[in-house]
Amino acid sequence: KAGVTQTPRYLIKTRGQQVTLSCSPISGHRSVSWYQQTPGQGLQFLFEYFSETQRNKGNFPGRFSGRQFSNSRSEMNVSTLELGDSALYLCASSFGLAGGDDEQFFGPGTRLTVL
Amino acid sequence: TQLLEQSPQFLSIQEGENLTVYCNSSSVFSSLQWYRQEPGEGPVLLVTVVTGGEVKKLKRLTFQFGDARKDSSLHITAAQPGDTGLYLCAGNAGNNRKLIWGLGTSLAVNP
Repeated sequence: KAGVTQTPRYLIKTRGQQVTLSCSPISGHRSVSWYQQTPGQGLQFLFEYFSETQRNKGNFPGRFSGRQFSNSRSEMNVSTLELGDSALYLCASSFGLAGGDDEQFFGPGTRLTVL
Repeated sequence: TQLLEQSPQFLSIQEGENLTVYCNSSSVFSSLQWYRQEPGEGPVLLVTVVTGGEVKKLKRLTFQFGDARKDSSLHITAAQPGDTGLYLCAGNAGNNRKLIWGLGTSLAVNP
């Protein structure tokens, strides 16, 4: 079956702009989580959406937001971009079992560069 | 705050050599996962260890979870160029979605 897809794969923006990233989960998966990956901080959890509702949230400022649609596709938005937002943004999908033990499958990521 | 320390940060070896990478924490985890990430791709789950002292083998890869569930190691026997990648450990403190991640060990296996 098709894996997790993310678009776009690469993005260049300037400070102050906003950006929207998209994630299509594996068919049948209802949970989508977003992560930021940087060399200095590693992977950091942004938020998780399940059935169109944010179920878990990491420690990122309100400039980072997301949403999930009825078909489980998810978007992540970053407003007022800062240089430090340059990173690889990964999304991961899973069935979203309540116990949180189900495997997550990651997409290839969107490489965001803020100039 | 980085709660999972991985070492070494970088490792470059010749094909056929053995290696061990470590993942250490002062925190106790209910489980710990190991992933491999290749350039241009997202992490792929290799194994999940749950029980203290548990050892799991995946072909040439051996994973061990410490008795106190605070640390783990990954041993690769007879490394091959296809093993090249970033190896990440991630600790589950209660929810698989809010994992605590290490910074990774970047492994290069030269032919």
